[in-house]
Parts: sequence; structure tokens; C-alpha cells
Amino acid sequence: GALVYQYPRRTICKSGTSMRMECQAVGFQATSVAWYRQSPQKTFELIALSTVNSAIKYEQNFTQEKFPISHPNLSFSSMTVLNAYLEDRGLYLCGAYRAGNTEVFFGKGTRLTVV
Amino acid sequence: TQTVSQSDAHVTVFEGDSVELRCNYSYGGSIYLSWYIQHHGHGLQFLLKYYSGNPVVQGVNGFEAEFSKSDSSFHLRKASVHWSDSAVYFCAVRGNTNTGKLTFGDGTVLTVKP
Repeated sequence: GALVYQYPRRTICKSGTSMRMECQAVGFQATSVAWYRQSPQKTFELIALSTVNSAIKYEQNFTQEKFPISHPNLSFSSMTVLNAYLEDRGLYLCGAYRAGNTEVFFGKGTRLTVV
Repeated sequence: TQTVSQSDAHVTVFEGDSVELRCNYSYGGSIYLSWYIQHHGHGLQFLLKYYSGNPVVQGVNGFEAEFSKSDSSFHLRKASVHWSDSAVYFCAVRGNTNTGKLTFGDGTVLTVKP
């Protein structure tokens, strides 16, 4: 089966510091990976869509300078939240696209708390 | 540009009732639609999807959804809900490409009372 693992599941960081989260696709090749953020009581906002061998596309209000993403191969992606502040808290989801498949497989998310 | 609208922020029903959660979308081309469920404090769980073919699709735990091109809708239904169905339900739309971005609606909070 197709599974997506995200770690850490939960993390707490001090305001102004950075934290890195990882996403691992197991059982399939993730040709594209989308990173989402769900702020408290909100829906899922797309941060960026990363496709192997293509440029990473960031959505409006999200930048590479704030959320640098690495997608070095077809099974792994990571994203860092730089200089995290209170408004960055929430659940960060990784969604992996399998080549030729219409479904996006999601991990369980990394919950970020900023103190 | 693709958009998703879930008109009901909150829906409350009793156990055993039927329920319909509404989803409307806008997109100019072929489309891929899906529903996800999020239990409190957890990530997303896939329920069902529509891509082509039979407009009524079956999902897990007795859920089904019906695609209507004329209404631009993809409403989710369940004939008899259980208290464990209480969660937030998200409708999502994606353009018909292998790398089209998935856009989520604002979600509907379903509360099932005993």
C-alpha cells in the first residue's frame, strides 16, 4: 500500500527559532509533494507544490525564504519553518502525488506549537 | 482558478439520522473531487473520490457522494450516522493533471448527538 510518514508528529519551538519537518513516501514514488498548513480553526492552505526536476511553486503569502523545501528524490521531502512566530502554529500536512494516480496520499501531519 | 465552497459550517444530527454535507466547486476543465475527514486533533483521512464514470461513488464507513456537473456539486451523504462520525469534513478539488494542486473547502463540522 501507499503510505506517507511525517515526523516529528508534534514539536514545540521558541519564537524566532526554526524547525524542520520531514515527509517520507513508502510503497510508491512521490513525483510531487504538496505542503499544507492548517492554522487553528481553519482549512488547509497550500504552501507550495514541489515536483521532482521542476521548480517549487509557492502559493501567494508563502515564500521560499520563510518555508524552504527540499525534494531530493521520489520518496522524501522536507520543509523548514524559519523564524517561527505565533502565526506559524498549526498542523503541517504533506501530501504526496503518485505518478499516474489521481489520489493524493497524506501523512498524519506535524503539529507545530510556538512559545 | 479552482474554488471549493462548503456552505454549511456546522451540521448537527442525531445518531441514526441521514445527513448530507454540501460541496460546490468551480473549475473550467476536467476535475478530480474528493472528500476527507479530520477527527479532532488528527490529520486527514481519505473518504472517497470522483474522477470519471458513475457519478455516485462509494467510500469508507457507508459514505457516498454524487457528482453533478450541471450543479457543480459533489455532496457527501450517509444514510445512518453514528456518533463516531462526528468530525470535520473537507471537500477538495483538483484540476485533472498529475500535478494539479488540491484546493480544500473551509470544512463542515458534523456533530452527531446520541
